[in-house]
Amino acid sequence: DAGVTQSPTHLIKTRGQQVTLRCSPISGHKSVSWYQQVLGQGPQFIFQYYEKEERGRGNFPDRFSARQFPNYSSELNVNALLLGDSALYLCASSFSGELFFGEGSRLTVL
Amino acid sequence: QQQVKQSPQSLIVQKGGISIINCAYENTAFDYFPWYQQFPGKGPALLIAIRPDVSEKKEGRFTISFNKSAKQFSLHIMDSQPGDSATYFCAASKDRGGSNYKLTFGKGTLLTVNP
Repeated sequence: DAGVTQSPTHLIKTRGQQVTLRCSPISGHKSVSWYQQVLGQGPQFIFQYYEKEERGRGNFPDRFSARQFPNYSSELNVNALLLGDSALYLCASSFSGELFFGEGSRLTVL
Repeated sequence: QQQVKQSPQSLIVQKGGISIINCAYENTAFDYFPWYQQFPGKGPALLIAIRPDVSEKKEGRFTISFNKSAKQFSLHIMDSQPGDSATYFCAASKDRGGSNYKLTFGKGTLLTVNP
């Protein structure tokens, strides 16, 4: 069975640029969440979507936005990148209350 | 405010030994406590989880002990193996209608199991 898939796996951007990260949930899962994991820290909650509606938002600036599509896939957008946005961005899908994470998109901002 | 505090930051155990990782939480509304295992370059994988209606849950070599009054929970890995070497995260969330969407994670424990 395919797990949560994320793309791209690695990317390098410069300060001020914009980035879009993509996520496909496990088949049958209608909820997608996004987390940011800075090196050496635990993941931090950014967004949660269910049936295309935002159900939760973490303590992140408005530069971060997301959306969920009719097929339950999701995109995370980050505008005006800062050096501090360098992190592993994790997508997780959920069906029965358990979160299943993808392998993440490693973003480096130079 | 760090709502979930995890210790130790790193842990070295001999093969066959017991690994113990502890977490403490502050928010009494939390009612779902999972543990995740993360290997380098991979996303976190759910190991085992517990709800506060039980004090212990065991799955294979992994056991969660939960102390509601102390607001603490711990992961015990019995007969630790070199393949268990990874970073372990505790987490907590407040159940919302049966779906736990927002997890608050600890900072992680890097476990090394020596052969």
